[in-house]
Amino acid sequence: GNSVTQMEGPVTLSEEAFLTINCTYTATGYPSLFWYVQYPGEGLQLLLKATKADDKGSNKGFEATYRKETTSFHLEKGSVQVSDSAVYFCAHNTNAGKSTFGDGTTLTVKP
Amino acid sequence: SAVISQKPSRDICQRGTSLTIQCQVDSQVTMMFWYRQQPGQSLTLIATANQGSEATYESGFVIDKFPISRPNLTFSTLTVSNMSPEDSSIYLCSVGQGSTEAFFGQGTRLTVV
Repeated sequence: GNSVTQMEGPVTLSEEAFLTINCTYTATGYPSLFWYVQYPGEGLQLLLKATKADDKGSNKGFEATYRKETTSFHLEKGSVQVSDSAVYFCAHNTNAGKSTFGDGTTLTVKP
Repeated sequence: SAVISQKPSRDICQRGTSLTIQCQVDSQVTMMFWYRQQPGQSLTLIATANQGSEATYESGFVIDKFPISRPNLTFSTLTVSNMSPEDSSIYLCSVGQGSTEAFFGQGTRLTVV
């Protein structure tokens, strides 16, 4: 079946630290992969996406590469800021908009 | 892209009552999706709403509790019926464009007291 497994949180980092949030998936066919971010008290926002193998999605300093061989889509950022504190969701989409989400990872960045 | 307007944005309701959430899309779409996000949890798909047919519900969700309407290609409603405090969640409407994109409304934050 379809599933998304995310690195368990919460994650606490100091400002300017390197961030990795692991994400692996199972899916039939060739899904598109997404990272969404949810800031405190706000709705879900698309952070980045990749639609085929070896694609790299990037936005606001965050990157993730679609690795078909390892069925992974790990989120990385070289230097986090306090303003990056949020909940991050990995997701995939295999059926015309129907998305499957990971459990979410709460990131707290301390100054 | 698609712009989704969802309302109300939040509500506080008495237990035993029902709330209808509206979702309006700025373009015609075949399928619309309703999700629930319980406090501190991830998003769970409630149902898929197709225009002109009954919604398809995921395991654990039933039509009597979450009736859905889909009168045309740009609009859908989700009703949360006979509410209890356990229904306190964020409810989100979503649409997709093929398999490469999914768009979400801002959500309806429901508190049942």
